[in-house]
Amino acid sequence: GNSVTQMEGPVTLSEEAFLTINCTYTATGYPSLFWYVQYPGEGLQLLLKATKADDKGSNKGFEATYRKETTSFHLEKGSVQVSDSAVYFCALSGSGGYQKVTFGTGTKLQVIP
Amino acid sequence: DTAVSQTPKYLVTQMGNDKSIKCEQNLGHDTMYWYKQDSKKFLKIMFSYNNKELIINETVPNRFSPKSPDKAHLNLHINSLELGDSAVYFCASSQDRSAPPYNEQFFGPGTRLTVL
Repeated sequence: GNSVTQMEGPVTLSEEAFLTINCTYTATGYPSLFWYVQYPGEGLQLLLKATKADDKGSNKGFEATYRKETTSFHLEKGSVQVSDSAVYFCALSGSGGYQKVTFGTGTKLQVIP
Repeated sequence: DTAVSQTPKYLVTQMGNDKSIKCEQNLGHDTMYWYKQDSKKFLKIMFSYNNKELIINETVPNRFSPKSPDKAHLNLHINSLELGDSAVYFCASSQDRSAPPYNEQFFGPGTRLTVL
C-alpha cells in the first residue's frame, strides 16, 4: 500500500533560517503529492502540490520538487518567519478509483524571533 | 464564504452520552471525509462518502456512524462516548477528477471533542 514518511519534529529555527522538512513516499504509478499546513487551532490547508515527476510546487515562499528517482518531496523555505510556526503534513493520493489520501505524521515547526 | 464548515467547534460531554457533529461544503465536491486527529497531531481517516454512498470505512468502532443526506452534507454520530474518543474531528471534501491532482482535500476548521 501507499505510505508517507516525514521527519519527526519538533523543528525549532531562528527567524530567517533555512528550512527543510524531509518527506519520502512509497506508492505505485504516479501519485499526486501535497504539503498541507495546520496553524494552531485551525484545520489543514493546502500549501502546495505537484502532480508529476520534476514538478515544483511553490507557495508563500515554500517549495517542494517531485523527485520520482528518490521518491521524495522535501519542503524547503529560504527564510522562515515567526508566522510560519505550524504543523506541516506531507501527503499523497494515488490515481484511479476511490483512493484515500495518505498523510505523514506531521512535523511541528517553531520559529523563534 | 466558508467552503467547508463544521458545527460545533467545541463539544464537551460526559462519558456514555451520544453526540453528533455536522459538516457542510459549498464547493460542489462529490466526496466528503471524516478524519480524527489525536493529541500528537496524527491524522487518521475514518470514513469517506461519494455522492451519498459510503466508499471508505476504516477500522472504526461501530459506535461511530456517518450519515450523508446529500452530497453537500456529511454528519458524524457517536454513541456511548468514551474517554478515548477525545480528539479533534475534521471534515474534508474533494472533487472527483480523472486527471491529477487526485483527491486534493479541503478541510473544515475542526471540532474539538472532549469526553469527561
